[in-house]
Amino acid sequence: EAGVAQSPRYKIIEKRQSVAFWCNPISGHATLYWYQQILGQGPKLLIQFQNNGVVDDSQLPKDRFSAERLKGVDSTLKIQPAKLEDSAVYLCASSLRVTEAFFGQGTRLTVV
Amino acid sequence: KQEVTQIPAALSVPEGENLVLNCSFTDSAIYNLQWFRQDPGKGLTSLLLIQSSQREQTSGRLNASLDKSSGRSTLYIAASQPGDSATYLCAVGGSQGNLIFGKGTKLSVKP
Repeated sequence: EAGVAQSPRYKIIEKRQSVAFWCNPISGHATLYWYQQILGQGPKLLIQFQNNGVVDDSQLPKDRFSAERLKGVDSTLKIQPAKLEDSAVYLCASSLRVTEAFFGQGTRLTVV
Repeated sequence: KQEVTQIPAALSVPEGENLVLNCSFTDSAIYNLQWFRQDPGKGLTSLLLIQSSQREQTSGRLNASLDKSSGRSTLYIAASQPGDSATYLCAVGGSQGNLIFGKGTKLSVKP
């Protein structure tokens, strides 16, 4: 069974630029999550999708972050404009409803 | 607001030693608890999932326990090996499936 796929693996951008991350969840998983992990911290939930709908985006900085999930499968997370404090690893995870979550390898973003 | 704390933040042990990692949480109304392993530069690998109605789960040399009433979980690693070196993360799950993580315990097993 293929795991959660994320791209790119690494990205370096200048502050005020925009960036987008892509995630393809495990086939059949209705729930998709985006987490942000700052160095030395545990991951923090940014947004949770159930199929196409948003379940929780309470911690998403909506002035600069946006996310969508097309046709209940792939998802993209965008940051525009990026700030230095956005430097982190962005992790995508998926699960079958409220069950064990499986994580992708993550995208390491460096904002300079 | 749920908070998850992991102690110790870092641990170094000689190979072959048995060890315990601790996790505590402030709100006992959890749906489940998961332990993850994270290698440097990598994503998270799920080790054990304990449902709120369960007391423990075992997988190979790993055993995780859950005491909801006291807000505690432990991860026991038997006969540690250098390959166990990684950061171990504890996360409590809510009814919607969202996870709240601790900061992790960085484990180093010396040959």
